Amino acid sequence: AQSVTQPDIHITVSEGASLELRCNYSYGATPYLFWYVQSPGQGLQLLLKYFSGDTLVQGIKGFEAEFKRSQSSFNLRKPSVHWSDAAEYFCAVGPLGAAGNKLTFGGGTRVLVKP
Amino acid sequence: DAGVIQSPRHEVTEMGQEVTLRCKPISGHNSLFWYRQTMMRGLELLIYFNNNVPIDDSGMPEDRFSAKMPNASFSTLKIQPSEPRDSAVYFCASTLGPNYGYTFGSGTRLTVV
Repeated sequence: AQSVTQPDIHITVSEGASLELRCNYSYGATPYLFWYVQSPGQGLQLLLKYFSGDTLVQGIKGFEAEFKRSQSSFNLRKPSVHWSDAAEYFCAVGPLGAAGNKLTFGGGTRVLVKP
Repeated sequence: DAGVIQSPRHEVTEMGQEVTLRCKPISGHNSLFWYRQTMMRGLELLIYFNNNVPIDDSGMPEDRFSAKMPNASFSTLKIQPSEPRDSAVYFCASTLGPNYGYTFGSGTRLTVV
């Protein structure tokens, strides 16, 4: 069965500093990989996704993520954090080519931004 | 496009009452998902539909929960009778297919007192 682990429950970062959020997945083949962001009181918004090709993918809001097959990881990064990036971030994995499109979500990482 | 639309945004009800949550997916999306989010359990998939047909309802907590999708543009999640432990934010999401990821609604915050 597929699973997603986000080892960090909370991360505090200073505004302007870089941010990296970790995501490890368990799956038998190359899956679909996603990062979502949830601002307080809102639904989840898709930041970026990976299916194949270039292992470094760019997303919205200045985020990028790198797929590393050897480490079963898909870490999210941002070079310089803004106060508006304070939110909860979810990594998700889904099986390639499967009918039904079911995703499995990690437990989330809450990001706090210090002024 | 207005996105995935959920109603109501907030619902407060008394234990034992019936609660109905509603979702309108994005037009053309063929899969719809109901999730529940709590601090303790995070995001839990309750049920999902493909082309209006329930595919996997293994996440539905118990018989008090039921979901329907009578057509491609509408789905309901019903809890009868409701209990305080059902208090959570319930999200609906839809998608065109595996390549696209999900589009989430803004959620319904349910409080059962």
